[in-house]
Amino acid sequence: GENVEQHPSTLSVQEGDSAVIKCTYSDSASNYFPWYKQELGKGPQLIIDIRSNVGEKKDQRIAVTLNKTAKHFSLHITETQPEDSAVYFCAANYMRFGAGTRLTVKP
Amino acid sequence: ETGVTQSPTHLIKTRGQQVTLRCSSQSGHNTVSWYQQALGQGPQFIFQYYREEENGRGNFPPRFSGLQFPNYSSELNVNALELDDSALYLCASSFSDRDLEQYFGPGTRLTVT
Repeated sequence: GENVEQHPSTLSVQEGDSAVIKCTYSDSASNYFPWYKQELGKGPQLIIDIRSNVGEKKDQRIAVTLNKTAKHFSLHITETQPEDSAVYFCAANYMRFGAGTRLTVKP
Repeated sequence: ETGVTQSPTHLIKTRGQQVTLRCSSQSGHNTVSWYQQALGQGPQFIFQYYREEENGRGNFPPRFSGLQFPNYSSELNVNALELDDSALYLCASSFSDRDLEQYFGPGTRLTVT
């Protein structure tokens, strides 16, 4: 079936460092790749997305890259802050989610 | 602009019972999707409703059913509850079935004992 694999499952960085989360997908028909941030007790919040006709997208400290040939995409967070601590999910289209990455940013 | 709302926030049911969860979509959105999120896992797609019709379904048994109303709000019904149905149930809305950008509600935490 169609799967989205996400790595790493946990990530701990020092405040100010960069964090990178990677996902791979199997369905070549996927054309929309969102990233969500989920804080404790809340629903996932869309933070950035990329479509298949674009290779990279940036929004302030957050960027996403997409390699359609290799079927993988990545989330990059620069200058991390303690408030970036949360669980991050990637998805392929709206139906397939990765298992999540718990990011901890240490002050 | 009102975001996606869900009710109730928490719910405890007994195995074998039935439950109904409710979702109000974001203003201007006519498409609602439901997800099940088990503890420590990513959301699993249950189904999507567009203009009151089911518009796609994930790998969930028929005892998971839904409705969408003319105002685009939606219900998720689960019959014959099992212990494994304990999870956070998320609703997400989007502008249309062709718009993949969706926004999630806070979820309903269902516990089955």
